[in-house]
Amino acid sequence: AQKVTQAQTEISVVEKEDVTLDCVYETRDTTYYLFWYKQPPSGELVFLIRRNSFDEQNEISGRYSWNFQKSTSSFNFTITASQVVDSAVYFCALSVGGATNKLIFGTGTLLAVQP
Amino acid sequence: EAGVTQSPTHLIKTRGQQATLRCSPISGHTSVYWYQQALGLGLQFLLWYDEGEERNRGNFPPRFSGRQFPNYSSELNVNALELEDSALYLCASSGRERLSAEQFFGPGTRLTVL
Repeated sequence: AQKVTQAQTEISVVEKEDVTLDCVYETRDTTYYLFWYKQPPSGELVFLIRRNSFDEQNEISGRYSWNFQKSTSSFNFTITASQVVDSAVYFCALSVGGATNKLIFGTGTLLAVQP
Repeated sequence: EAGVTQSPTHLIKTRGQQATLRCSPISGHTSVYWYQQALGLGLQFLLWYDEGEERNRGNFPPRFSGRQFPNYSSELNVNALELEDSALYLCASSGRERLSAEQFFGPGTRLTVL
């Protein structure tokens, strides 16, 4: 069975602080895909990143960076120098593709960035 | 390029009624997915349509059904509404160029069952 765990329910930081959102996944499949989405108060899920199981390179996009470690089944997301506009719920998701193609979401982490 | 659109934005129904939710995918996308985001239950996969066919279904009762039209837009129908069906229903679309392609989401339809 596949599962995604986001142990941090809520995180509150002050603007300009760095913050890391944790994501741990479970799957027996050797081919799988990991995603991060952002859900601002408006409700629409915004795609941030997709990573396949064969690519363990870390990725940086502006203030965002992702650390994928198969050895610990983790796909953590770091925001550097956080801003108030980063306040949202962040979801980590897993897909094993093929016949299912569905996204299995974690329960999300609510990030509040205080000015 | 227009994103995924959904209508209506809000829908209020009473228990036992039927609800119809609509979704238009991003131009060029052939797959449409439906997810339910209910309070306390998180985001749950409902249905996946591709090329007009239902490809996969989540753990939901048969009164949740849908279809995909030749233009790839989709409808989600919920029959015999129950109070616990109150949720944000999100539609997403993706292209078919690769496995587990990223899904792009619409703004959602908030369904309230009274």
